[in-house]
Amino acid sequence: TQLLEQSPQFLSIQEGENLTVYCNSSSVFSSLQWYRQEPGEGPVLLVTVVTGGEVKKLKRLTFQFGDARKDSSLHITAAQPGDTGLYLCAGEDNYGQNFVFGPGTRLSVLP
Amino acid sequence: GAGVSQSPRYKVAKRGQDVALRCDPISGHVSLFWYQQALGQGPEFLTYFQNEAQLDKSGLPSDRFFAERPEGSVSTLKIQRTQQEDSAVYLCASSSFSGGAKLQETQYFGPGTRLLVL
Repeated sequence: TQLLEQSPQFLSIQEGENLTVYCNSSSVFSSLQWYRQEPGEGPVLLVTVVTGGEVKKLKRLTFQFGDARKDSSLHITAAQPGDTGLYLCAGEDNYGQNFVFGPGTRLSVLP
Repeated sequence: GAGVSQSPRYKVAKRGQDVALRCDPISGHVSLFWYQQALGQGPEFLTYFQNEAQLDKSGLPSDRFFAERPEGSVSTLKIQRTQQEDSAVYLCASSSFSGGAKLQETQYFGPGTRLLVL
């Protein structure tokens, strides 16, 4: 079973600060996705990365897929209270037969 | 257009009771997924449908869990003889992808059903 670990588990920062959260595995994934989940709602897809070393930007969010496709990071610049939520990564194995979610990083951005 | 809807949003059941959770996917979406999300954890895959065919049920934790999608649209997840460890949020997601790798298309999640077994 492929496992994804996320760090930190919890993060509380002030509005305007920058932050990076991480998603790591000992296994290779063919693709990896990042989601944000707000309380009482389902996860919402932010981005999919498929190529090792790939970097994608979504406004103030920068996503990177590791060269070996075993890890990924999400960097948020100038965090805003609206960024508060649970950030989940999900990985798909090379056969497209199995995918798993990490436990998430719970981010709180204080005004 | 309407997103994925789930009902009920909250369900309290006594241990041993049977429950049925409903998912209405986005119209026309071929693929449908069920996940279980325990408190403080990420979603865990339960089962996957392509139209009415249940192609993967490897994540169902026991034979008390049963899912169906008889007409390829609405799906029901049934849990028989509920136990306290079944308490979780049950998420449904749908996507337009119809084959191959499951994560290649965007999955749209419903708000979930929060099940509490007393």
